[in-house]
Amino acid sequence: AQTVTQSQPEMSVQEAETVTLSCTYDTSESNYYLFWYKQPPSRQMILVIRQEAYKQQNATENRFSVNFQKAAKSFSLKISDSQLGDTAMYFCAFMFPDGLTFGKGTHLIIQP
Amino acid sequence: EPEVTQTPSHQVTQMGQEVILRCVPISNHLYFYWYRQILGQKVEFLVSFYNNEISEKSEIFDDQFSVERPDGSNFTLKIRSTKLEDSAMYFCASSKSDRSTGNTIYFGEGSWLTVV
Repeated sequence: AQTVTQSQPEMSVQEAETVTLSCTYDTSESNYYLFWYKQPPSRQMILVIRQEAYKQQNATENRFSVNFQKAAKSFSLKISDSQLGDTAMYFCAFMFPDGLTFGKGTHLIIQP
Repeated sequence: EPEVTQTPSHQVTQMGQEVILRCVPISNHLYFYWYRQILGQKVEFLVSFYNNEISEKSEIFDDQFSVERPDGSNFTLKIRSTKLEDSAMYFCASSKSDRSTGNTIYFGEGSWLTVV
């Protein structure tokens, strides 16, 4: 079974700073997909970014980018120029055959 | 932009009562899912549904749970006899295809169930 580990329960940074959220996973699969979802106080699950394991290039989406290290089974999320609206829970997720396995999440607080 | 819609947004029910949570997946999607998030905990997979049958389910999805696609648009989760520990946010989700193409799973806004 796949497992996803997020070792930082909470992080706090100043507005405009860059922050990196870590995620590691365990799988025996060679081809898979990884995601970061954001959950603001409204509790909606919003897709932030997705990475395909067979692609060596790290995914980017505006201020969000990932550092995908397949050999190390690491998938960190970098948020540049952080904004107050980035305050949320961030969940790393691994896609298994018919669904997602989530990590426990990192609560990111952006301070004004 | 198409989205997954869920009703109700919040429901309070007595222990032992039956609850039906409803979802309208994105129209051209083929895979449907239910996830659960107990307050303060991570999101947990319950069940996936494809071609009018369950394709995968977790240990959480026991006999008190059932899913159905009663018509061409709705996808429902029924909890037969609710327990206090069923109190959680329930997310419906859908995707165009399955893992083989790694299609993104899109979530609804959730239905918050409180069992008293």
